[in-house]
Amino acid sequence: KNQVEQSPQSLIILEGKNCTLQCNYTVSPFSNLRWYKQDTGRGPVSLTIMTFSENTKSNGRYTATLDADTKQSSLHITASQLSDSASYICVVSSLGGGNKLTFGTGTQLKVEL
Amino acid sequence: GAVVSQHPSRVICKSGTSVKIECRSLDFQATTMFWYRQFPKQSLMLMATSNEGSKATYEQGVEKDKFLINHASLTLSTLTVTSAHPEDSSFYICSASDIRQGESYEQYFGPGTRLTVT
Repeated sequence: KNQVEQSPQSLIILEGKNCTLQCNYTVSPFSNLRWYKQDTGRGPVSLTIMTFSENTKSNGRYTATLDADTKQSSLHITASQLSDSASYICVVSSLGGGNKLTFGTGTQLKVEL
Repeated sequence: GAVVSQHPSRVICKSGTSVKIECRSLDFQATTMFWYRQFPKQSLMLMATSNEGSKATYEQGVEKDKFLINHASLTLSTLTVTSAHPEDSSFYICSASDIRQGESYEQYFGPGTRLTVT
């Protein structure tokens, strides 16, 4: 069964600090891995998408890494801002599945002053 | 980036009535649209996949007669919750894709619709 697990479940950090969120997956056959940011009461917004051959991808203060061998990904947020407070969801797409996505349960990040 | 809208953003209805939610791709043609529901503090759960001009494919456990999906054009899909009950109260999110982009095509999510059945 395809699964995506994220850790930690929740995280509180001070504004300006960095943090790293983790994602482990067992999705086969693998197509791509995406990180989304979801604000409360809103739909998810794409941060990065990585295919098998990509090890890292950045989007502003967000940097995602992918290790396809160990089936792990991380999302690093630098110089956090209050507006980064949201749920961060790791999503893995399987090949040939009509773009079927397997969603992680998300990491709830809160950035405080 | 591509924009997907949903209408309404919030709806409150009485038990037994039907509610229609619209999902529109504003600046691209969506060959495929997906409908999800999300309960508090949980991840998105795929309900169904709809391709323009054909019948929707429902996930196991989702009642197709209760959740009617229509994808009549490349920019519009609708989800109708028929005979709604309080347990149908949830956050419904649609996403849209253009599968002609290839295997890594992006899914663009709408802002969601909060349904409350009283």
